[in-house]
Amino acid sequence: DTAVSQTPKYLVTQMGNDKSIKCEQNLGHDTMYWYKQDSKKFLKIMFSYNNKELIINETVPNRFSPKSPDKAHLNLHINSLELGDSAVYFCASSNSGSRSYNEQFFGPGTRLTVL
Amino acid sequence: KNQVEQSPQSLIILEGKNCTLQCNYTVSPFSNLRWYKQDTGRGPVSLTIMTFSENTKSNGRYTATLDADTKQSSLHITASQLSDSASYICVVSPKAAGNKLTFGGGTRVLVKP
Repeated sequence: DTAVSQTPKYLVTQMGNDKSIKCEQNLGHDTMYWYKQDSKKFLKIMFSYNNKELIINETVPNRFSPKSPDKAHLNLHINSLELGDSAVYFCASSNSGSRSYNEQFFGPGTRLTVL
Repeated sequence: KNQVEQSPQSLIILEGKNCTLQCNYTVSPFSNLRWYKQDTGRGPVSLTIMTFSENTKSNGRYTATLDADTKQSSLHITASQLSDSASYICVVSPKAAGNKLTFGGGTRVLVKP
């Protein structure tokens, strides 16, 4: 019954590997996001999709590739993982309607550790 | 550059006491300001959302204030409980930013019995 869910919750992997994180929301929202929270706890937007269309793409290495198969899912694939990719990645979703203030609902996060 | 700064970075309070967290922002033009609570190991959860025309908004023991002229906001926690131990994040939404929020670094609150 979790509104925004992510898998896995923890991911430990070696440098150079490729990994994916999955996100699903059952809120009926039309917009989904990926954020990175670094060791200093700042949340930074990486990507945003509205109705499966990419609308925000921050300065993120092209090793990061989001994919949205439908409005309820937004996956994040990372190629050639580096030590600096270690962080907590949060998925979020919102509705783009004018009365919603675009309030974003966050998933529980995926803690990625690159060794 | 749009920025959101919070103070203090951390604070410790005794259960039952009140505390106030501060948020200063430079985001302009400004659409709305939000306060999120983030428990350890969890995602942020929205506490309040205020538009530029609102001065105060409450959610239970949490009361947020906003001064759009000075670009300052505060979050007041009344009669703190152990469950209030968390990070509190101030988030500002610029106008016409495509839902791109600017996050503060958060204030980590520890409530001790």
